Amino acid sequence: GNSVTQMEGPVTLSEEAFLTINCTYTATGYPSLFWYVQYPGEGLQLLLKATKADDKGSNKGFEATYRKETTSFHLEKGSVQVSDSAVYFCALSDGSGNTGKLIFGQGTTLQVKP
Amino acid sequence: DAGVTQSPTHLIKTRGQHVTLRCSPISGHKSVSWYQQVLGQGPQFIFQYYEKEERGRGNFPDRFSARQFPNYSSELNVNALLLGDSALYLCASSLEYGNQPQHFGDGTRLSIL
Repeated sequence: GNSVTQMEGPVTLSEEAFLTINCTYTATGYPSLFWYVQYPGEGLQLLLKATKADDKGSNKGFEATYRKETTSFHLEKGSVQVSDSAVYFCALSDGSGNTGKLIFGQGTTLQVKP
Repeated sequence: DAGVTQSPTHLIKTRGQHVTLRCSPISGHKSVSWYQQVLGQGPQFIFQYYEKEERGRGNFPDRFSARQFPNYSSELNVNALLLGDSALYLCASSLEYGNQPQHFGDGTRLSIL
């Protein structure tokens, strides 16, 4: 079945450091891929998405490219801020085009220190 | 505009009881999905409803049920609660069924004693 694997956390960085959070997936068909962020005590917020191979999603300085050949969707940011501290989830929808059923990775906690 | 709202925010129950969680989608959104997030893990899909019909079900026992009302709000019901049902229950809504982004509420924290 479809699945998502994220790198283990926590990831601890100093402010202005470069961020990479790895995400790989297993899926049949042509899923859409997503990154969600969860701040303490809150629900999930959509950070960015990509719907087909080679698409690049971007938002608030974060980027991720849908790589079908390596089945990956790694999240990157050039310069992190303390306010980026949160849990990040990689997710995919099934290949039918319905994004009402998302499959999530286990989440990666990011801690940014001043 | 208001986002997805869920109630209650926190709930404490004992084993064997039942619980009803409520979700109001963003105005105009017709699809609602429910997820269970156990501490330290990613959310797991439970149900999706669209236009008051069930459109998807995850790998959860029959103790879990849901419904959607004509105003598109939704309820998640869980019977015969087990300790393992302790989790954050998230509701998400989208405009239509299909390739639409999900907007999540802040969840209901359910604790089973």
